[in-house]
Amino acid sequence: NAGVTQTPKFRILKIGQSMTLQCTQDMNHNYMYWYRQDPGMGLKLIYYSVGAGITDKGEVPNGYNVSRSTTEDFPLRLELAAPSQTSVYFCASSYIPAGHRGGRSYNEQFFGPGTRLTVL
Amino acid sequence: GQNIDQPTEMTATEGAIVQINCTYQTSGFNGLFWYQQHAGEAPTFLSYNVLDGLEEKGRFSSFLSRSKGYSYLLLKELQMKDSASYLCAVRPPGAGSYQLTFGKGTKLSVIP
Repeated sequence: NAGVTQTPKFRILKIGQSMTLQCTQDMNHNYMYWYRQDPGMGLKLIYYSVGAGITDKGEVPNGYNVSRSTTEDFPLRLELAAPSQTSVYFCASSYIPAGHRGGRSYNEQFFGPGTRLTVL
Repeated sequence: GQNIDQPTEMTATEGAIVQINCTYQTSGFNGLFWYQQHAGEAPTFLSYNVLDGLEEKGRFSSFLSRSKGYSYLLLKELQMKDSASYLCAVRPPGAGSYQLTFGKGTKLSVIP
C-alpha cells in the first residue's frame, strides 16, 4: 500500500492564481482531512470528510474548497491564492467503523508527505 | 474551544531520558494523541491515551491525567534519531467527532 499520497510536493503560485492540491489514499479509509502547518503554529484543520459526498469545514476553511466524489480522493482547491496561504499542506486519513462510539486508536490519522506552497 | 500548551523547544543528551509536557483546557475531552514529526516530513502516530495512567510502548511512554488536563510523553534511552517535533493533539467529545486539535509542537534536539 502506498498509504496517503499528495501531489505536487512543491508549488509556487502568483497572487490570484488558482490550483488544486491532490490527495489519494489506498487504505479504504472513510475519513479524510486537510491541514495546514505554518512555522511555529501547529496543524490547523481546513476541511474534513466523513465519506464520499460528505464534507465539512474545519477551523480555517476560508479561501479553500474541497470535494469528495470517491472514497480514495480528497482534493483541496485554492481559488484566488493569497500570500496568507503560503504554508505546508498535509492530507490525512483514518478509519472509523460504522456506529463507533469512541475507543482506542480509532482516530489514528495517517498523513501524506505534504505539499509546500508559496504564494508570491 | 480547546487550548493546548507545550514547551516550544527542549534539548537533551543522547542516552538520557526526557519528558515533554502538554496541558490542555477544553470544553470536553475524548482522547489525547502524541505524534512525532521529523523536519520536512509528515507527522506519524506515537500514542493515544483516553483513560488516566501510563501507556508504555518500547522506549516511549505517555501519561494522562484528565482531572488535571495534563499529559506527558516520556522518551528513554534517547537516540539522535529522536530529534524531531512532538505534537500533542486532543480529540473533542461526541460520538461523531473525530477531528483533532493540535498543539504547536515541541522541538526536541538530542545532542551527543
